[in-house]
Amino acid sequence: ILNVEQSPQSLHVQEGDSTNFTCSFPSSNFYALHWYRWETAKSPEALFVMTLNGDEKKKGRISATLNTKEGYSYLYIKGSQPEDSATYLCAPMGSGNTGKLIFGQGTTLQVKP
Amino acid sequence: DAGITQSPRHKVTETGTPVTLRCHQTENHRYMYWYRQDPGHGLRLIHYSYGVKDTDKGEVSDGYSVSRSKTEDFLLTLESATSSQTSVYFCAISLLAANTGELFFGEGSRLTVL
Repeated sequence: ILNVEQSPQSLHVQEGDSTNFTCSFPSSNFYALHWYRWETAKSPEALFVMTLNGDEKKKGRISATLNTKEGYSYLYIKGSQPEDSATYLCAPMGSGNTGKLIFGQGTTLQVKP
Repeated sequence: DAGITQSPRHKVTETGTPVTLRCHQTENHRYMYWYRQDPGHGLRLIHYSYGVKDTDKGEVSDGYSVSRSKTEDFLLTLESATSSQTSVYFCAISLLAANTGELFFGEGSRLTVL
């Protein structure tokens, strides 16, 4: 699956603010949607892998929803903390289970104390 | 820890020289990937492998070749390095067999082409 769009490209928020990002992807041939967190000078780490329409996943203050019919996923961070500062990447995986994973450009979040 | 090791971790080379980066995994995972980090583009897929001797191109495969002669090693070769290939290269493996498909990344190899 190509044509992955993430918005906004970057975001600056104050500590304690809640925020959300969007990942848009073609809804045809959908298999799974991945979210990754990527801190500067580190390796990306998986947050969620979602497969079902309407799926919601949560890890601490971070949650994600999935709409496969319209081709989008939202990532929410509640009460942002400086340690949440990172680039958040999404990657849809197409059907056929080939394992090919193309990432969006990412949303870079900066949380100011 | 998915048992991924990248080598070398840092390399400086000159334009026109060949370079090989190695990704080694210890847990017999079928799927392995090479990505490069590019400002404004995030992570871009170079090549990936879905088994021994089974590889396919990604988004930015020009100038790169790969080989996977055994399960544990996935090699990325720049036949003739160019300055545009200066980047951080990440290897990843997928737990696709576990149906989650999430990727685990190595620590990255920083390549500078002068």
